[in-house]
Amino acid sequence: EDKVVQSPLSLVVHEGDTVTLNCSYEVTNFRSLLWYKQEKKAPTFLFMLTSSGIEKKSGRLSSILDKKELFSILNITATQTGDSAIYLCAPGTYKYIFGTGTRLKVLA
Amino acid sequence: DGGITQSPKYLFRKEGQNVTLSCEQNLNHDAMYWYRQDPGQGLRLIYYSQIVNDFQKGDIAEGYSVSREKKESFPLTVTSAQKNPTAFYLCASSIASGGGNSPLHFGNGTRLTVT
Repeated sequence: EDKVVQSPLSLVVHEGDTVTLNCSYEVTNFRSLLWYKQEKKAPTFLFMLTSSGIEKKSGRLSSILDKKELFSILNITATQTGDSAIYLCAPGTYKYIFGTGTRLKVLA
Repeated sequence: DGGITQSPKYLFRKEGQNVTLSCEQNLNHDAMYWYRQDPGQGLRLIYYSQIVNDFQKGDIAEGYSVSREKKESFPLTVTSAQKNPTAFYLCASSIASGGGNSPLHFGNGTRLTVT
């Protein structure tokens, strides 16, 4: 059975802090891993990772995948209150299975 | 503008009634998905379809039904057999019918309340 575990479940930090969100997975026929940010409604796409060890960056966010150890991390540096959201990871086979998400709250 | 349209945004129904949620995309994507989200939870896969006239059950298909008669449309029916239908429903699509090789694009969701 496919499994995705995200940690921590929730996190409260202050503006300017750096956070690391974790996603471990066990899926068959793995093809890629997606990261999303969800505020109110539809999740918004952050990253798609297919190769191990290659960091993807977008502004203050970065992510990396380890296909040997079956996990991915999402880093956010210099956090801002606008980063407050649920962060979801989803390993993809011929379908995508989502983790329960990490709820991040950034205090001013 | 290309995208995914879900309607209605909010839906209220009495227990025992079937209800159909609409999902239309004009992205020319092959694959479409339905997810359910409960408060404080991640997304759980209900059904997905990789090509027209074909669909597969996800992890929580019981009490739901779908059809895929057209590439751009993937309606979800919540039947009276679904024990806890109140939830936020998200429809998504992706380019590749093989799955797992292209990101998901999401609609804005339908919030269903059954009393």
